Amino acid sequence: DTGVSQDPRHKITKRGQNVTFRCDPISEHNRLYWYRQTLGQGPEFLTYFQNEAQLEKSRLLSDRFSAERPKGSFSTLEIQRTEQGDSAMYLCASSLIGDTQYFGPGTRLTVL
Amino acid sequence: KNEVEQSPQNLTAQEGEFITINCSYSVGISALHWLQQHPGGGIVSLFMLSSGKKKHGRLIATINIQEKHSSLHITASHPRDSAVYICAVRSGYNTDKLIFGTGTRLQVFP
Repeated sequence: DTGVSQDPRHKITKRGQNVTFRCDPISEHNRLYWYRQTLGQGPEFLTYFQNEAQLEKSRLLSDRFSAERPKGSFSTLEIQRTEQGDSAMYLCASSLIGDTQYFGPGTRLTVL
Repeated sequence: KNEVEQSPQNLTAQEGEFITINCSYSVGISALHWLQQHPGGGIVSLFMLSSGKKKHGRLIATINIQEKHSSLHITASHPRDSAVYICAVRSGYNTDKLIFGTGTRLQVFP
């Protein structure tokens, strides 16, 4: 088991571009979470999945953000028309239901 | 006011000192997590607890459900304990989403 992986680790983009991040959870974990963390703050919840079903979305997740987990394994988070305020660390975590969440290394997004 | 508050925000200690980090929350919870975050972003789960006390090596976590308060203690602190410690709560029984505190930055000097 290699833990939770995220790709890319760093992404620099220009304002207005679309970006997509990928998360590969621990293989037997049925829950997958996306969080966002800005400098000096704790992470904020964005959304989570149980298998392929998206169970909950934060009001932080505007219509420019979309997340999928099409086969209940890996997940993607897409941000359309990026804004400078989207610059943050995007964290993915996975778990079994009700159990400890294991975090990936994060994708650091910088929007110029 | 944040739903999860931590104190202190910053903490410095000499190697060997006993460390306490506090977490208070204002919502009903089904579980509380203590997490450690090193520079560069990686987050590691230290404890998940819903009552009482847990111990792992030099780390001890306690929770008082009635007072909505938890503490993380580090005994015999070491420079490698330097990190940000984050308290997070699972706010209900029908969700696994976590609400996080802003973290406590700990620096332990030799």
